Amino acid sequence: KNQVEQSPQSLIILEGKNCTLQCNYTVSPFSNLRWYKQDTGRGPVSLTIMTFSENTKSNGRYTATLDADTKQSSLHITASQLSDSASYICVVASGGSYIPTFGRGTSLIVHP
Amino acid sequence: NAGVTQTPKFQVLKTGQSMTLQCAQDMNHNSMYWYRQDPGMGLRLIYYSASEGTTDKGEVPNGYNVSRLNKREFSLRLESAAPSQTSVYFCASSEGAGNTIYFGEGSWLTVV
Repeated sequence: KNQVEQSPQSLIILEGKNCTLQCNYTVSPFSNLRWYKQDTGRGPVSLTIMTFSENTKSNGRYTATLDADTKQSSLHITASQLSDSASYICVVASGGSYIPTFGRGTSLIVHP
Repeated sequence: NAGVTQTPKFQVLKTGQSMTLQCAQDMNHNSMYWYRQDPGMGLRLIYYSASEGTTDKGEVPNGYNVSRLNKREFSLRLESAAPSQTSVYFCASSEGAGNTIYFGEGSWLTVV
């Protein structure tokens, strides 16, 4: 069964600090991995997409990494801002499937 | 572009009542989805429509029915609402398998 596990479940940091969120997956065959950001009371929005051949991809202060050998991904947030407070969801697509596998998300709270 | 639009935003139902959640997308996407999100459970797929004219069960289909009215619209119906169906419902769409999924803003449903 395809699974996506995220850690930590929740995280509290001070504004301006960096943090890293983890995603481990057992999805086969692997197609791509996306990180979504979900603000409170809103729908998730895609931040980055990683394919098998990509190791690192940045989107502003967000940097995603992918290790396809160990089936791990991370999302690093640099110089956090209050607006980064949200849930971050790791989503892995399997080749040819219409149904990606969702992690349960990491809830990030950035305090001033 | 409005993206994915779902209505209503909020609804309170009595046990046993029926209702339909409406969803429309203006991105000419082939695939559409209905998810529910509960605390600690993440997003769970109820039904999806890979393309116009097809619908398939997801992870938690019991108690729900769907209709892909046309390429733009995908509705979710609760025939006899139960308290266990209290949740936040998200409609979503994508171009197809493995592509970015775009979410609506959510519908908050309470069954009393």
